[in-house]
Amino acid sequence: EVQLVESGGGMVQPGESLRISCATSGFNFVNYWMSWFRQAPGKGLEWVATMDQDGSETHYVDSLKGRFIISRDNSESTLYLQMSSLRAEDTAVYYCARIPNFFSYYMDVWGRGTTVTVSS
Amino acid sequence: QSALTQPASVSGAPGQSITIPCTGSKSDVGSYNLVSWYQQHPGKGPTLLIYADIKRPAGVPNRFSGSKSGNTASLTISGVQAEDEADYYCCSYVVTNTSVIFGGGTKLTVL
Repeated sequence: EVQLVESGGGMVQPGESLRISCATSGFNFVNYWMSWFRQAPGKGLEWVATMDQDGSETHYVDSLKGRFIISRDNSESTLYLQMSSLRAEDTAVYYCARIPNFFSYYMDVWGRGTTVTVSS
Repeated sequence: QSALTQPASVSGAPGQSITIPCTGSKSDVGSYNLVSWYQQHPGKGPTLLIYADIKRPAGVPNRFSGSKSGNTASLTISGVQAEDEADYYCCSYVVTNTSVIFGGGTKLTVL
């Protein structure tokens, strides 16, 4: 069974950093582009970042460039999101998702999310 | 890049058909075949319903269908069922700047 399991969320203070993880299983992780998305409380989905199979190509939403960094460890089949200088508006559920075909660009499997709360 | 436009809510009785439009521009929805649709139940992660404008993944009931005309994509549920009550999001890849945009989401209420 294909599974994506996010972890590492929690409550942090404004200005702090946090790294969240997405552990995958049930498929050959190294063959897939992967993405992070987020959803603020009561709001819609927002794309955060995307990475190609070997980590050589990344794309970010303009508003987060420089503060968030996507990375992956193919030996551990795990995707990461390093978040720095966190703000209250970064409070959200963060989801990872698999992209089966970059040229069609859609997400066929999503995790259940991990909650990040930025508050003093 | 602006978000895609969806109605905030739609409703229908069981067995009725409903359509959710998603309006963008010629640089996103109107270009290529890159619109996808997702269903999200409360407290859950999204699930894929439609990709490449009109394609339905294995396992998605055939009452869900996608279409597109110009800069507007649409999701139709033919014969709404109680378990379809959820939020629905359209999504488009924007080739020109390698970004991804979503609609604001539509809450479907089954009466």
